[in-house]
Amino acid sequence: DVKVTQSSRYLVKRTGEKVFLECVQDMDHENMFWYRQDPGLGLRLIYFSYDVKMKEKGDIPEGYSVSREKKERFSLILESASTNQTSMYLCASSPGMVNTEAFFGQGTRLTVV
Amino acid sequence: RKEVEQDPGPFNVPEGATVAFNCTYSNSASQSFFWYRQDCRKEPKLLMSVYSSGNEDGRFTAQLNRASQYISLLIRDSKLSDSATYLCVVNSYNQGGKLIFGQGTELSVKP
Repeated sequence: DVKVTQSSRYLVKRTGEKVFLECVQDMDHENMFWYRQDPGLGLRLIYFSYDVKMKEKGDIPEGYSVSREKKERFSLILESASTNQTSMYLCASSPGMVNTEAFFGQGTRLTVV
Repeated sequence: RKEVEQDPGPFNVPEGATVAFNCTYSNSASQSFFWYRQDCRKEPKLLMSVYSSGNEDGRFTAQLNRASQYISLLIRDSKLSDSATYLCVVNSYNQGGKLIFGQGTELSVKP
């Protein structure tokens, strides 16, 4: 069974903290994605990676960075958390460039106080 | 203009109704199209891919009109269990394969 696992379901962090969100997939997929989901705005792409050590900015990369040192793991880093980064964060992976299904993790609800 | 735009919701329909969702996309180079379903507090999951010739899966029918850059999803004989948010998704090779999501349309099916 396909599996994308995010390290935390719920997270509360303080403003200014460095935050790491981890995502692991066990399907040997090439592509991995980080989205955030906010009411009325849908899923917005933060970063994606199509190979180890490769990354591409999505639509809203400001305030975020990513790391992909191994194929199965894609980390999202909030360098200095701010309250406007309170959101649901969703990781996904897919096997190819086009015409392929993306599989999502269960999401991390991050609250920055 | 957003790359992928969907009908605003929510749609409130009775059981047994037929409901249609529409979606438009702005990138004419888009190559793959999908409908995802997201239940409350859950992750999105693929409902169906959308092919140029149109495709059907049980009560669900998806259509693609490349000339108008328009995608639709038709749900016939709605069930209570169809209540969810439906997300239109577009994928373009010239954008490195990234998946672009619409904002979603919420469907609520009532008894």
